[in-house]
Amino acid sequence: EIVLTQSPGTLSLSPGERATLSCRASQSLSNSFLAWYQQKPGQAPRLLIYGTSTRATGIPDRFSGSGSGTDFTLTISRLEPEDFAVYYCQQYGSSPLTFGGGTEVEIK
Amino acid sequence: EVQLVQSGAEVKKPGESLKISCKGSGYSFTSYWIAWVRQMPGKGLEWMGIIYPGDSDTRYSPSFQGRVTISADKSISTAYLQWTSLKASDSATYYCARGGREPLRYWGQGALVTVSS
Repeated sequence: EIVLTQSPGTLSLSPGERATLSCRASQSLSNSFLAWYQQKPGQAPRLLIYGTSTRATGIPDRFSGSGSGTDFTLTISRLEPEDFAVYYCQQYGSSPLTFGGGTEVEIK
Repeated sequence: EVQLVQSGAEVKKPGESLKISCKGSGYSFTSYWIAWVRQMPGKGLEWMGIIYPGDSDTRYSPSFQGRVTISADKSISTAYLQWTSLKASDSATYYCARGGREPLRYWGQGALVTVSS
């Protein structure tokens, strides 16, 4: 099973700042099958990024994904008030599919 | 419009059985895998398993194998997650989502299951 470790656990930032979230895999994701989701309280997760760097439909371009092998990053270039949420990475190339533990982006 | 509509919140006692549902619409239900994802209170997401409604091919995470059963009735475009004997530790929100070994683009609204004596 591929274990995904997200860091930091919590990121305290102000609107307008840049957020950099990390996701590290216990094995190389050779097919780059990595996705990022956003979850707000009381809501289902929402797909943001798939295939490491492809934005899902309707996702603003301030969200970007990068990485390869075992190290992946979600970057939010300028935080908007609606971006404060929990973010999860997920690998979907190897069964069982697995999620990271999440990073909460909170208002500083 | 693709929609996944889940059954409502449930309150059960330990040892009771439960079956929750997820009805798909707006797409060919038999052509896409359905996944189930658990989220315990205040915790992260856990992938439980998937089913292909077209032929009922089912895969489970080792963490959930033998503890739950995933099924589907393609005639009514509905997938199910069931327990035969609930435990307090099964208390969680359960999401269905469309996707097998692919990103989960569409999600149900979640079903809160509370198991308490």
